[in-house]
Amino acid sequence: AQSVTQLDSHVSVSEGTPVLLRCNYSSSYSPSLFWYVQHPNKGLQLLLKYTSAATLVKGINGFEAEFKKSETSFHLTKPSAHMSDAAEYFCVVSLTERTAGNKLTFGGGTRVLVKP
Amino acid sequence: GAVVSQHPSRVICKSGTSVKIECRSLDFQATTMFWYRQFPKQSLMLMATSNEGSKATYEQGVEKDKFLINHASLTLSTLTVTSAHPEDSSFYICSAWDTANYGYTFGSGTRLTVV
Repeated sequence: AQSVTQLDSHVSVSEGTPVLLRCNYSSSYSPSLFWYVQHPNKGLQLLLKYTSAATLVKGINGFEAEFKKSETSFHLTKPSAHMSDAAEYFCVVSLTERTAGNKLTFGGGTRVLVKP
Repeated sequence: GAVVSQHPSRVICKSGTSVKIECRSLDFQATTMFWYRQFPKQSLMLMATSNEGSKATYEQGVEKDKFLINHASLTLSTLTVTSAHPEDSSFYICSAWDTANYGYTFGSGTRLTVV
């Protein structure tokens, strides 16, 4: 079984300050982990993914995440928030991405508010 | 990159009618597609896994006869909400597995409102 916990349902930051979105997971196997962003009434866009290669993963729009097996965490960070980063973010786990039928398990989501 | 086109983006229907939502993989073949439901301010919940040429696999608690899934080709999966009721109002999102790129691609979602 696998599960994902996003520790903060809401995060509020000022424009230009760092963003930290926390995610912890549990999985019986070596997981693949993803961060997706969703803007209102839109689908999901992949920010980055971890698939057992480098533990520090760089994604689009300046985001990065670090896989820490000992802490079962995959926190998402960005050094400087932009107004366009205001959205909902989902941490997602899969047993492995290399099998078509694997299901994704979603965290509860973190809503990011960026203040000018 | 891989693109999944989902239509319609918004639909309003009367209670008791049926609504069909289409999900197409535009530049790749999707042998497996996933259908999710998302309530306001909540996460995505997997409804069913759709496999081309075979019956869909539904998650526990999802009514098979109410949410009909058809995956007749490698590029098209449809979700039909039959005899819709107001409690079916939700945001529905599809996702496809892109074998060539080893990744999941999501559609843009369908906002269903049943009045």
